[in-house]
Order: sequence, then structure tokens, then C-alpha cells
Amino acid sequence: NAGVTQTPKFQVLKTGQSMTLQCAQDMNHNSMYWYRQDPGMGLRLIYYSASEGTTDKGEVPNGYNVSRLNKREFSLRLESAAPSQTSVYFCASSGTSGRFSEQFFGPGTRLTVL
Amino acid sequence: AQSVTQLDSQVPVFEEAPVELRCNYSSSVSVYLFWYVQYPNQGLQLLLKYLSGSTLVKGINGFEAEFNKSQTSFHLRKPSVHISDTAEYFCAVSDQVAKDTGRRALTFGSGTRLQVQP
Repeated sequence: NAGVTQTPKFQVLKTGQSMTLQCAQDMNHNSMYWYRQDPGMGLRLIYYSASEGTTDKGEVPNGYNVSRLNKREFSLRLESAAPSQTSVYFCASSGTSGRFSEQFFGPGTRLTVL
Repeated sequence: AQSVTQLDSQVPVFEEAPVELRCNYSSSVSVYLFWYVQYPNQGLQLLLKYLSGSTLVKGINGFEAEFNKSQTSFHLRKPSVHISDTAEYFCAVSDQVAKDTGRRALTFGSGTRLQVQP
């Protein structure tokens, strides 16, 4: 039981390049999330997916796209990377039973855009 | 809209001393409250949560937090810290589930770095 896994762990891009961050969970969770973490700002929600086949914007969606490939996988794509997207990206997942289900986080992807 | 304020960006403390990390929130609806811990170069781990019931919540590693509705606070405490508690701590709030989307997104504070010194 690996929980939430993310690839890659580190990435350096040049401005204008594209890349996809991968996330997978093996807990049979319905909901998945992408956050970015910047110094002094905590974590901010980029996109989320309440269930397979659905996605919706969070607080800071500009410059990103997502795909909920199946129940396990939720990818984040940067079509044309910008220096402002230098950040640590976290994927999370949660179930939907009861009033609240704990969000489980992956180890993060540290992205630098030059 | 909801928001979370963590009043201290860094808290230095000596080993075996008590510590309090402060968190205030604002929301127009009932909320659920959480504390997460992030050890260096790792993801976030749930420390404790308040959903309802007793206002004093106990979590892992000897931490506890008290929900104070009148002061809209959810401060985290530990009576005696260890070197291994050195980490960044995030307070987070979740409003009730959005009826249309079922989203349970979290709003995070900016974090408090706890530095335990020998």
C-alpha cells in the first residue's frame, strides 16, 4: 500500500517548455487534488477532481490543465511553463464517506522554471 | 470565503519546553479544522482534526489543540517538545461539503516553522 505517489520528484524546465506531473493513489479514493506550495503562502488549491471523469478549478488554476485518467490517476500539465510556476507541487486524495475524509498527501514534486 | 491566519512564521523553542502554535480562522459557515505537519522534504501528515464534539482534540505525537468558537481560534499545543518535532506546521480549514460538487477542499494557513533547539 504505497498511498499517494508522485513523479517526478524534481524537475527543471526552461520557460515555454511543457511537462506533466503524474499522481496515483491506491486507496480507492474518489477525490483527488493538486496543490502548490510557495514560501510564506501555505498550500493553494490548483485543481481538484471529486470523482472519476470530473474536474474543477481551485484557487490558482491559470496556466495549468488536469486530467483524471481513471480513479487512481490525476495528472497536472503545464503547457508553457513560466518562472512564476516555480514551486513545490503536492497531490492529495480523500474518500467521500461521512462528514469528512482525511486528505492524504504525496511526497511532492519540486519544479524549477528558468 | 474562508481564511486561515497563522500568527507566527517561526517559533524557536528549547527541547522539553512547552509550545503553542497559534491559528485563527474566518468563515461564515460551520467549519472543520485541522493541523498538518510537514517534515523536511516530505509531504503533509495529519496531526489532528476537529469535526464536532469536545473542543479539546488530541492528536499524534503528544500534540493537542483547542477549538474556541468565540475567538475563532484553533491553537496547537504540546507540553514538552523534542528535537524530532522540528518541522513546519499548517493549520487548515474546510467548510461544509459543496452540495453541487462534493468538494472538500482545504484552505491552508501560511505555516509555522517550529525549531526545537537542544
